[in-house]
Formats: sequence, C-alpha cells, structure tokens
Amino acid sequence: AQSVTQPDIHITVSEGASLELRCNYSYGATPYLFWYVQSPGQGLQLLLKYFSGDTLVQGIKGFEAEFKRSQSSFNLRKPSVHWSDAAEYFCAVRSNYQLIWGAGTKLIIKP
Amino acid sequence: SQTIHQWPATLVQPVGSPLSLECTVEGTSNPNLYWYRQAAGRGLQLLFYSVGIGQISSEVPQNLSASRPQDRQFILSSKKLLLSDSGFYLCAWSVSGSNNYGYTFGSGTRLTVV
Repeated sequence: AQSVTQPDIHITVSEGASLELRCNYSYGATPYLFWYVQSPGQGLQLLLKYFSGDTLVQGIKGFEAEFKRSQSSFNLRKPSVHWSDAAEYFCAVRSNYQLIWGAGTKLIIKP
Repeated sequence: SQTIHQWPATLVQPVGSPLSLECTVEGTSNPNLYWYRQAAGRGLQLLFYSVGIGQISSEVPQNLSASRPQDRQFILSSKKLLLSDSGFYLCAWSVSGSNNYGYTFGSGTRLTVV
C-alpha cells in the first residue's frame, strides 16, 4: 500500500541555519510528489512538486527538494531559514484521485 | 484564475446541533473536490471526495456526510454534532483526470463543539 513517512514530528533550527525535512514514500509506480506548508490556522499552500525530469525541483519561498528513487525519498531543503518559515510541512504522493499524506513536520525557528 | 472559498472561518456549535460547511470553487469546471479534517496535533484525514455532481466517496465512517449539489459546490454536513467532531476542516480541489496536479486548499474552518 502507498504510504508517506515524515520521521521528524518536530524540528528546531536557528534563524539563518540550513534546513532539511525528510520524506520517504512507498509507491509502486513513478511517484508524483508534493510538499505543502501550513501556517498556524491557515490552509495548505503548495511549495513544490515533482513529476518527472530533473530530480532537483525548485519551489516558492526559496525551498527546493530532491527526488532520490534509490532511497524512496523526497527531502525538502532550504539553505537559510527565516523566522517566517515556522510552520508545519507536509509531504504527499499522488495516488489516483487522492493524495497520500505524511503526518507532517513542525518547524520551529530559534531566534 | 481559480479560487476556492470556504466558510465560515470559525464556528462554535453545541453538541447535538446540526452542521453545514460550504465550499465553492471558481474558475474551473468539473473539479475533484475533497473534505479533510485535522484534529489538534494530528495530520490530515480525508473525509470525503467527489469526482462529479452527486458522486461522493466516504473514506471514514463517521457522523458526517457530504453533498455536491452543483459542479463547483461541496457541502459538509452533520445532523447532530459530537464533541469528537471538533477540528480544523479543509476543503480542496484538484484538476480531474490527471495526476499532474496537486490540491488547492481553502483557508479552513475551525469547528469547536461544546
């Protein structure tokens, strides 16, 4: 069965430090992968997506993610985080009509 | 451009009262529509999805129901709310017939059942 695992429930980083949020998926075919961000009390916003081609995809707000088929991973990265990046981040894989979601990783920024 | 509207933004309802949350999409036709719930500190739970008018698939047996009376309207309802129905409800849409798109979410409804 398809699944998405985000192993880190919380991550704390200092402002200006680099960030990597982990995502592992289980999917039989070529995956369509997404990262979303949710600020407190808000809906979810699409950061970036991967369908095919270049395995390093660029998104909004300075985020990027790298698809590694051999590791079944789609980790999200940012070279330097800002306090406004504090939010919850969700990884997802598309399966037919639905998105299969990870449980989310809450990003906490230390001043 | 496409937009999605969801209302109300917040709602406080007593146990046993009815519920109606509405979601509408503009700027597209025949979208796939979804209702999700986030309980406090938990991830996204798919409640219902619809691929067309009158076509509703339920993912989780529960106290809630959904309807799609028009192509771009999706309604979440309950006849009698339970305390466990409290949570953050999100409506979303996606392009039908293609995996090349993610979802676009509404801004959510915070429901507190008291």
